[in-house]
Amino acid sequence: DTGVSQDPRHKITKRGQNVTFRCDPISEHNRLYWYRQTLGQGPEFLTYFQNEAQLEKSRLLSDRFSAERPKGSFSTLEIQRTEQGDSAMYLCASSPTSLYEQYFGPGTRLTVT
Amino acid sequence: GESVGLHLPTLSVQEGDNSIINCAYSNSASDYFIWYKQESGKGPQFIIDIRSNMDKRQGQRVTVLLNKTVKHLSLQIAATQPGDSAVYFCANAGNMLTFGGGTRLMVKP
Repeated sequence: DTGVSQDPRHKITKRGQNVTFRCDPISEHNRLYWYRQTLGQGPEFLTYFQNEAQLEKSRLLSDRFSAERPKGSFSTLEIQRTEQGDSAMYLCASSPTSLYEQYFGPGTRLTVT
Repeated sequence: GESVGLHLPTLSVQEGDNSIINCAYSNSASDYFIWYKQESGKGPQFIIDIRSNMDKRQGQRVTVLLNKTVKHLSLQIAATQPGDSAVYFCANAGNMLTFGGGTRLMVKP
């Protein structure tokens, strides 16, 4: 399967714990995006990378959130000191460049108890 | 049971009928729009896109219409099938995607 993959698919954590998600984009896609989606809403942009450079961050991305793409391939999204409001589906997408269709992974569903 | 937050507009159609899903936009980062289909528990799946130099684009059983004057686009699905049941989102594609509110399509057999 050469699509976007995300790991884990589901994560249940207690409030205050740290969690880390991984995204593997389609190979040779320069752009990698993170979105968050809550029930009944469309995905909301969090941040994106062009190769290893993080070019833009939404104001939704609080100081507790950090994303990396160290080698320009896979990316990780870490949430520190999780809160119940962080419960959502975290989606990763990739594209060859801007102004091009983005291909989404299956998402990681986070539940903070 | 009922899920909190699922206040999506719903379009219910009979199998075999045509479906039209609408999307209005205001200030767009670009004139490039994409329609996505999202099934329960899955990530959005690309359906069709359209750029500003076009007002209509056709795919397999789907057509997207773009009216830049009134800032409106629509997705038409011909001969709707049960497998088309999903939530549909329009998105404006600049450096990132900006999604509109979704529409839930329910296909009655």
